[in-house]
Amino acid sequence: DAGVTQSPTHLIKTRGQHVTLRCSPISGHKSVSWYQQVLGQGPQFIFQYYEKEERGRGNFPDRFSARQFPNYSSELNVNALLLGDSALYLCASSSPVASGGAAETQYFGPGTRLLVL
Amino acid sequence: AQSVTQPDIHITVSEGASLELRCNYSYGATPYLFWYVQSPGQGLQLLLKYFSGDTLVQGIKGFEAEFKRSQSSFNLRKPSVHWSDAAEYFCAVGARGYSTLTFGKGTMLLVSP
Repeated sequence: DAGVTQSPTHLIKTRGQHVTLRCSPISGHKSVSWYQQVLGQGPQFIFQYYEKEERGRGNFPDRFSARQFPNYSSELNVNALLLGDSALYLCASSSPVASGGAAETQYFGPGTRLLVL
Repeated sequence: AQSVTQPDIHITVSEGASLELRCNYSYGATPYLFWYVQSPGQGLQLLLKYFSGDTLVQGIKGFEAEFKRSQSSFNLRKPSVHWSDAAEYFCAVGARGYSTLTFGKGTMLLVSP
C-alpha cells in the first residue's frame, strides 16, 4: 500500500507570496494532520482535519489555513509568507479510534521543504 | 498542557555498543507515547508506541522502550547499534482519542566506526 504522499517535495517562494501544499493520506485513513518542522526543532502541530471538518488547530496565525476534500486529501495554504515560514511541512494521516480508545497512530509523509527568500 | 523533553541534543555511540535515548513527558492524564525516527531530508517513521499494558514495548529495527510512570519517562533503547541507525529521534506524547502529537526537540544519534 502507498504511504502518505506530499507534493511538491521542494518549493522556493519570496516574502509576501502565497503557497499551497498538498497531501494524500494512506488509503482508508480519514484524518489528516499538518505539522511544521523548523530546522533543529521537533514538528509543531498546525491543523487536523477529519471528514472535511477542522478537528484541531495549533498556535499558528490566520495566514495558515487548510481544507480537506471528499477523497480525504488535504491542502495547506499559507498567505503573506514570512522568512520564518521556511520549514519542512509534514502531513500525517490516521484512522480514528473508537471513542475513549487509545490515541490514534499517525503516519507521516516525506514532507515539503519550503524556503522563503 | 502536555510537553516532552529530550535532554540530549546529540549522542555519539560506537557501532555495536548499546544505546539509550532519554525522554521525559508532562501530561495530566494517561499518556500515549511514541518514538519516531527521521533520516536526513526524510519524513518521520514510527518506531514504536505505548498505549497501555506491558510497560516494555518492542518496535521495529530492534528498538524497545520502557514506560516508567513514576519517573514520567519513556526511554528508547537498542542493545547493539548499527551505522544505519544514525538519524534524529523524536519522542512524542498524544492524548486519548486524538491524534495531535506534541514532540520533543529531538536527539541526533551519531554512530562512530
